[in-house]
Amino acid sequence: GESVGLHLPTLSVQEGDNSIINCAYSNSASDYFIWYKQESGKGPQFIIDIRSNMDKRQGQRVTVLLNKTVKHLSLQIAATQPGDSAVYFCAENRGGATNKLIFGTGTLLAVQP
Amino acid sequence: DTEVTQTPKHLVMGMTNKKSLKCEQHMGHRAMYWYKQKAKKPPELMFVYSYEKLSINESVPSRFSPECPNSSLLNLHLHALQPEDSALYLCASSLAGGRFTDTQYFGPGTRLTVL
Repeated sequence: GESVGLHLPTLSVQEGDNSIINCAYSNSASDYFIWYKQESGKGPQFIIDIRSNMDKRQGQRVTVLLNKTVKHLSLQIAATQPGDSAVYFCAENRGGATNKLIFGTGTLLAVQP
Repeated sequence: DTEVTQTPKHLVMGMTNKKSLKCEQHMGHRAMYWYKQKAKKPPELMFVYSYEKLSINESVPSRFSPECPNSSLLNLHLHALQPEDSALYLCASSLAGGRFTDTQYFGPGTRLTVL
């Protein structure tokens, strides 16, 4: 069935390095994508989003890239810090009459000091 | 301010109890959502309210009963739950009420344990 998935369940990086978290989606009709960060015991926190008419969007230390040709989404975190340690979810909005999000399986980012 | 609040933070209940979860936002959002999240899994959509009307029920068992008293409040009434219903229950809201895609902002969740 259609799904939003992640290539790596766990990513371990050194403090100060750049992190790249990947996500694959299968519905070419999806038009809106969101990255969420979820720390232990907390709700998902919005990080950055991108619509399908764009291929790149930058925030503070974060960049989202969208490749519609291969249905791939990535989140880049520059100069990763210990506070970035969390589970990161990509979410796909398939549009239509509802605002229904389909979440990927999540990637645990572990930042080593 | 992108704050969604949820109470209580933790809830322990027996299978015969009746309890309610509460969610509140004051961002003027017109869509509100309930999600269920099991440990190490992504959130799963349960219900969507758009302009205070239930627009999506993801085939949730009737022991979960949502209510939207006004555009700022969302409740989830619980009755005769099972131990497998233990999970983190998340509330979210978004601006546009489901007419087009927009960002959902999540609350901190209620950690529910059913004994």
